[in-house]
Amino acid sequence: DAEITQSPRHKITETGRQVTLACHQTWNHNNMFWYRQDLGHGLRLIHYSYGVQDTNKGEVSDGYSVSRSNTEDLPLTLESAASSQTSVYFCASSEGSGRVYEQFFGPGTRLTVL
Amino acid sequence: AQSVTQLDSQVPVFEEAPVELRCNYSSSVSVYLFWYVQYPNQGLQLLLKYLSGSTLVKGINGFEAEFNKSQTSFHLRKPSVHISDTAEYFCAVTQGGGNKLTFGTGTQLKVEL
Repeated sequence: DAEITQSPRHKITETGRQVTLACHQTWNHNNMFWYRQDLGHGLRLIHYSYGVQDTNKGEVSDGYSVSRSNTEDLPLTLESAASSQTSVYFCASSEGSGRVYEQFFGPGTRLTVL
Repeated sequence: AQSVTQLDSQVPVFEEAPVELRCNYSSSVSVYLFWYVQYPNQGLQLLLKYLSGSTLVKGINGFEAEFNKSQTSFHLRKPSVHISDTAEYFCAVTQGGGNKLTFGTGTQLKVEL
């Protein structure tokens, strides 16, 4: 069965370190998204991609970057981790172009920045 | 810009009772609406969606929602809840064009015996 996976599931890091969270989908979806989930805020969009070599900033993109070198993967990088980036991160994917499609979510990565 | 409001952060309800989780949206253009459920320590799972057509939408696990354009609402209902429905529920909206979703802040449904 097609799926979307995230790794690691839990990560503890220190302020200032670079961190990369992996997202891999086997749906062959063009669209991929990264969200962060914080209490009282729901899910907020960090970055998204509509295809290989395409990346776009979302609502809360400061301090984060993504790159899309193939259809399956959209890694999220925290350039210099800050305590404010302690959160649960979700990756999602959907079919692309034209119509409206549901997004499929990964299981999430809980990141703690000390 | 679009936004979603879920006024109830927590909704306690007894098992077998009916429940309604409220969702209101704001948008100046046509919207497409979704309800997702998140069980503890898991990702989000689609409950139901409104894209077009009938304003009453049925989803999984006995849930349904009604799209009301005049009241800009998309409330989620279930006539009889079960303990296993305890979870967090998110309403989301998109205007299409790439499927970027704007989420509400979520409603924690707690079903008690």
